[in-house]
Amino acid sequence: DQQVKQNSPSLSVQEGRISILNCDYTNSMFDYFLWYKKYPAEGPTFLISISSIKDKNEDGRFTVFLNKSAKHLSLHIVPSQPGDSAVYFCAASYLRGTSYDKVIFGPGTSLSVIP
Amino acid sequence: ETGVTQSPTHLIKTRGQQVTLRCSSQSGHNTVSWYQQALGQGPQFIFQYYREEENGRGNFPPRFSGLQFPNYSSELNVNALELDDSALYLCASSYGTASYEQYFGPGTRLTVT
Repeated sequence: DQQVKQNSPSLSVQEGRISILNCDYTNSMFDYFLWYKKYPAEGPTFLISISSIKDKNEDGRFTVFLNKSAKHLSLHIVPSQPGDSAVYFCAASYLRGTSYDKVIFGPGTSLSVIP
Repeated sequence: ETGVTQSPTHLIKTRGQQVTLRCSSQSGHNTVSWYQQALGQGPQFIFQYYREEENGRGNFPPRFSGLQFPNYSSELNVNALELDDSALYLCASSYGTASYEQYFGPGTRLTVT
């Protein structure tokens, strides 16, 4: 039962163009969403997050959009740079009592930015 | 400020053996979570330790166990290894149980033959 889905295993984008990574979730209890980036031989690093009370969060070149009714979120990278080439994980969690429950990760999308 | 470190980097074990993986948390962090990442999948939550007590567990059998020490370093122990235990094991540390603000180590690659 995969609660967080990333249906595109890989994506190639030209340098300078927009990269759009998509993520779908099934558990309506999720109220906090995160994107992590992972380079080979390194652990995932936190990139950007969004709470369910918002529909957009922006941090520099990175913007995350949340559509709660569709249970869908997307990460936009503009402009894409070769250093953005990595695996991107979508993840979700929800508030249980006074703390957040475990983070559920999607399977990841491998982004290649071509110079 | 030192980051999260894990040891060893790589490990090869035989089915049925036992293994211990180690994690040193980022300075000031009192919570550690362990994840298993199989090939082609995202990290799957194994368990979390907060102030030396288990604070949540994923769908992993009891042969996966852990410890957190007073200095907040941590161990993951796996008994009776199976071939499907071959994976990258990641630990992540954070301050408090708001596990989304977590910092990952580089992982230990375990191969079970």
